[in-house]
Amino acid sequence: QVQLVQSGVEVEEPGASVTVSCKTSGYTFANYGVSWVRQAPGQGLQWMGWISGYNGHSIYAQEFQGRVTMATDTSTSTVYMELRSLTSDDTAVYYCARGNYYISTDAFDIWGQGTMVTVSS
Amino acid sequence: EIVLTQSPGTLSLSPGERVSLSCRASQSVSAGYLAWYQQKLGQAPRLLIYGASSRATGIPDRFSGSGSGTHFTLSISRVEPEDFAVYYCQQYGSSPITFGQGTRLDIK
Repeated sequence: QVQLVQSGVEVEEPGASVTVSCKTSGYTFANYGVSWVRQAPGQGLQWMGWISGYNGHSIYAQEFQGRVTMATDTSTSTVYMELRSLTSDDTAVYYCARGNYYISTDAFDIWGQGTMVTVSS
Repeated sequence: EIVLTQSPGTLSLSPGERVSLSCRASQSVSAGYLAWYQQKLGQAPRLLIYGASSRATGIPDRFSGSGSGTHFTLSISRVEPEDFAVYYCQQYGSSPITFGQGTRLDIK
């Protein structure tokens, strides 16, 4: 079945970087894109950006421009999201979610289980 | 960016009741590209409705979506015990994608 399986819990100090992975299976990687959505404790959902599984093209939300990088590994059908210069405001659950392969704007039919990232000294 | 405002913030209902959740957009949502998600505590969101009114795969027909332009509604015809959760609307008609702040459905 279609699955997105994310890497585990991360605890980082302020100023550090974190990389979260999202391994996809059960579908043709190039036929879809993946977005990243985060959710701070007790808060709503915030879209961070998108990457195409077809050509690796990415689009980032303005708030994260210059601080986030998304990448794909087509050999393992895995998507990576790196967030740099972490602050306590980045403490959140980070989700990957499947969407369209050619445009960043889409509904998300399959979600990963989420990765808790805690930023604390 | 398009701001989505959901109302009410919280609803308390008994199983079997009908409910309608509102999502209003700060500007028209292109082509009705509006989705609804259900999120239970400790779980990832689940897609319920896309394109304002199309049910996602496996979603029971007690869930329905309607609306266009700047006002959208998610209705549950008869609330089941497993429906008590937080519901989010999302617009994907223009970038950046945005979500509403959520409506919590509580058991009365």
